[in-house]
Amino acid sequence: DIQMTQSPSTLSASVGDRVTITCRASQSISSWLAWYQQKPGKAPKLLIYKASSLESGVPSRFSGSGSGTEFTLTISSLQPDDFATYYCQQYNSYLGRTFGQGTKVEIK
Amino acid sequence: EVQLVESGGGLVKPGGSLRLSCAASGFTFSSYSMNWVRQAPGKGLEWVSSISSSSSYIYYADSVKGRFTISRDNAKNSLYLQMNSLRAEDTAVYYCAREGLVGKKYYFDYWGQGTLVTVSS
Repeated sequence: DIQMTQSPSTLSASVGDRVTITCRASQSISSWLAWYQQKPGKAPKLLIYKASSLESGVPSRFSGSGSGTEFTLTISSLQPDDFATYYCQQYNSYLGRTFGQGTKVEIK
Repeated sequence: EVQLVESGGGLVKPGGSLRLSCAASGFTFSSYSMNWVRQAPGKGLEWVSSISSSSSYIYYADSVKGRFTISRDNAKNSLYLQMNSLRAEDTAVYYCAREGLVGKKYYFDYWGQGTLVTVSS
């Protein structure tokens, strides 16, 4: 299986902060990576796909980058609505789909 | 408006069976691959299974292979997950998730609200 490791597991930040979350794959996945946001009791929401493509309707303060084994999700200026848990997800044609363990963004 | 509504969750004893359903509306169901993703209480997301638009391609996570069966009925706009030989570790909220089309294939662009499956004696 391809393992996806997110860091940090928890992040404390303030409104207006620039926030970066990292996702590392145990082997190269090219650009087959997505990022999701999940709030308590709710279904996840797609933010970024193909490593850097912004999903329709998602604010432009969210951006994704990376390829191969290292990827980042950046929130340029953290807003009150952004406090949530974020997951990366990879796709591999032979090994299916795998999520990272999640990064919780908390209020500092 | 795209809607995915799961049903069929509940309490089941270890070794038992359960069938989940997902009713889709607001899009051409027969054109999209569909997936089941689960989340154990307080834990992260785990992909469970996927099925292509015409049911030609079906994949499972190793953790459920041989016990779970995914299927769909395009005439009824419905997705199913037959779960047999259930274990305590299968306890989770199960989400039905639509896979995007070209460009967003292999990513989940719409999700249902989830249905809770509890495996306990």
